Amino acid sequence: DAKTTQPTSMDCAEGRAANLPCNHSTISGNEYVYWYRQIHSQGPQYIIHGLKNNETNEMASLIITEDRKSSTLILPHATLRDTAVYYCIVRVTGTASKLTFGTGTRLQVTL
Amino acid sequence: DAGVIQSPRHEVTEMGQEVTLRCKPISGHDYLFWYRQTMMRGLELLIYFNNNVPIDDSGMPEDRFSAKMPNASFSTLKIQPSEPRDSAVYFCASSLARGWLETQYFGPGTRLLVL
Repeated sequence: DAKTTQPTSMDCAEGRAANLPCNHSTISGNEYVYWYRQIHSQGPQYIIHGLKNNETNEMASLIITEDRKSSTLILPHATLRDTAVYYCIVRVTGTASKLTFGTGTRLQVTL
Repeated sequence: DAGVIQSPRHEVTEMGQEVTLRCKPISGHDYLFWYRQTMMRGLELLIYFNNNVPIDDSGMPEDRFSAKMPNASFSTLKIQPSEPRDSAVYFCASSLARGWLETQYFGPGTRLLVL
């Protein structure tokens, strides 16, 4: 699986959009971009995933660049409950391979 | 649905003792995963099962660790003998067959402290 690079931490004011970047310059053509988050003391929670098109669901939007070497997770209206560590993972869907979560981005949403 | 259930939620034991962690996956899910999380190494996949059969145990750190899944609704992760470096949060997750990362649901975790 391709390696990802994320900023260590970010701050966001409540009600504003939180834009979390992820670099995955070595991504392969059949690898997807997944985002998970982990709220303190809880297990990771799936957010969204995509291959090359932008995706949106009830939680967030995922913007993938045309060359697929980077992506951005957007939380359109961040709330205090969105404070968590966000993990960007690149992997081939449905394959039997070892998963490695990186260090992620610690997002702090403030009043 | 109650989600993935793990027990115990907290475990404190002394070095050398046997530790058994338990997991009940979501009903109908056919994949089960055991992860370990530490500050130093982050979240690591230890082993996963498909239809109760171990598929990949390459993440299991050493022979002191073993995992079983005797049926579709129960799995155990055993550490014998335990060591202080095994202190971590152990998560169990389950998923459906297709797109298994997408549909992984994690339990609340077991916080293990080995003294």
